[in-house]
Amino acid sequence: DAGVIQSPRHEVTEMGQEVTLRCKPISGHNSLFWYRQTMMRGLELLIYFNNNVPIDDSGMPEDRFSAKMPNASFSTLKIQPSEPRDSAVYFCASRSDGNSGNTIYFGEGSWLTVV
Amino acid sequence: TQLLEQSPQFLSIQEGENLTVYCNSSSVFSSLQWYRQEPGEGPVLLVTVVTGGEVKKLKRLTFQFGDARKDSSLHITAAQPGDTGLYLCAGEGSYIPTFGRGTSLIVHP
Repeated sequence: DAGVIQSPRHEVTEMGQEVTLRCKPISGHNSLFWYRQTMMRGLELLIYFNNNVPIDDSGMPEDRFSAKMPNASFSTLKIQPSEPRDSAVYFCASRSDGNSGNTIYFGEGSWLTVV
Repeated sequence: TQLLEQSPQFLSIQEGENLTVYCNSSSVFSSLQWYRQEPGEGPVLLVTVVTGGEVKKLKRLTFQFGDARKDSSLHITAAQPGDTGLYLCAGEGSYIPTFGRGTSLIVHP
């Protein structure tokens, strides 16, 4: 089975530009998470979807960040306008059902550099 | 606020040594998971512990969940270079896992 698929793997963009990160969760999984990882702050939850509905977006830094999940097989995380402090690795992860303790599967991450 | 504190933050040891890393919280979790992350990749689940006092073994790795379900430890026996990576613990409440910052382990041959 294919794992969580993220694109792009790497992106370098100029400050002020729009960035769109994409994620295809594992088929059949109905929970999807977007995380951001930096050396300073570790792995931070940005937003959690369950059955395509945003359940918890308290981790979204500010209005420049938005996330959508139009269907069960696709999600996007958009940053507009991007800033250098947004440079980080962004991970998408999915999980089957909403049961506590089920395995979360991570994608390989999207490495974003904003210059 | 970091709900899960992991220690040590960094660990550099020689092959064959034993080590223990810790994951502590003031919160009670319904379950706790340990992940290992290698450079350039996403975290991969090693184990899930659910019951207070539970001990699970995965080859040379021993995981323990505290009796009060607030803390956990990971012990590695006879570490090997292949154990190198970032070890993350994640506590779950309300279906949303919260990660610690991790322990970065380097095992030198």
